[in-house]
Amino acid sequence: ELKVEQNPLFLSMQEGKNYTIYCNYSTTSDRLYWYRQDPGKSLESLFVLLSNGAVKQEGRLMASLDTKARLSTLHITAAVHDLSATYFCAALQTSGSRLTFGEGTQLTVNP
Amino acid sequence: GAGVSQSPRYKVAKRGQDVALRCDPISGHVSLFWYQQALGQGPEFLTYFQNEAQLDKSGLPSDRFFAERPEGSVSTLKIQRTQQEDSAVYLCASHDGAGAFFGQGTRLTVV
Repeated sequence: ELKVEQNPLFLSMQEGKNYTIYCNYSTTSDRLYWYRQDPGKSLESLFVLLSNGAVKQEGRLMASLDTKARLSTLHITAAVHDLSATYFCAALQTSGSRLTFGEGTQLTVNP
Repeated sequence: GAGVSQSPRYKVAKRGQDVALRCDPISGHVSLFWYQQALGQGPEFLTYFQNEAQLDKSGLPSDRFFAERPEGSVSTLKIQRTQQEDSAVYLCASHDGAGAFFGQGTRLTVV
């Protein structure tokens, strides 16, 4: 059974700082997703990573995937308050029938 | 429509009442997932459809939960004899090669 673990679960950082959120998954996965969720809202798709070594960037967020290590990272550069949210990674089982989520990382960016 | 649409957005049910939650996926998306998200937690898989076929229902917590997608488009998640522990946000997602896109969810409160 595919398991996904994120760390840290809670992250408080100052504006302008950099940080990385880690996502480990237990078995082979076809693809890795990152989502953002604001309180009371649904999940907003940020990135889909399809292959080993994939790197995608959007604004201050950059995601990467290492399938050999079964690790994905979400790097935050020069954080701003608007990035405060909960970030989830999710891995798709190779059968394509289930997207398994991590516990989420609650990010708070302080002015 | 442009995105995944769920209705109702909010539902308050008395314990023991039956409820039906609707999901209208992105047109043309073959794959459809239902997830349950408790407060402060990540989404938990409930069931998966490929067209009208329910290929995985292993996440349904009890036989009070039933999902269908009779024509391979709109899906309904039904919960019979609701209990307080069923209170959660129920998320629907449809999936294609580009990613899994979530609806706004239905927040179910059982009183």
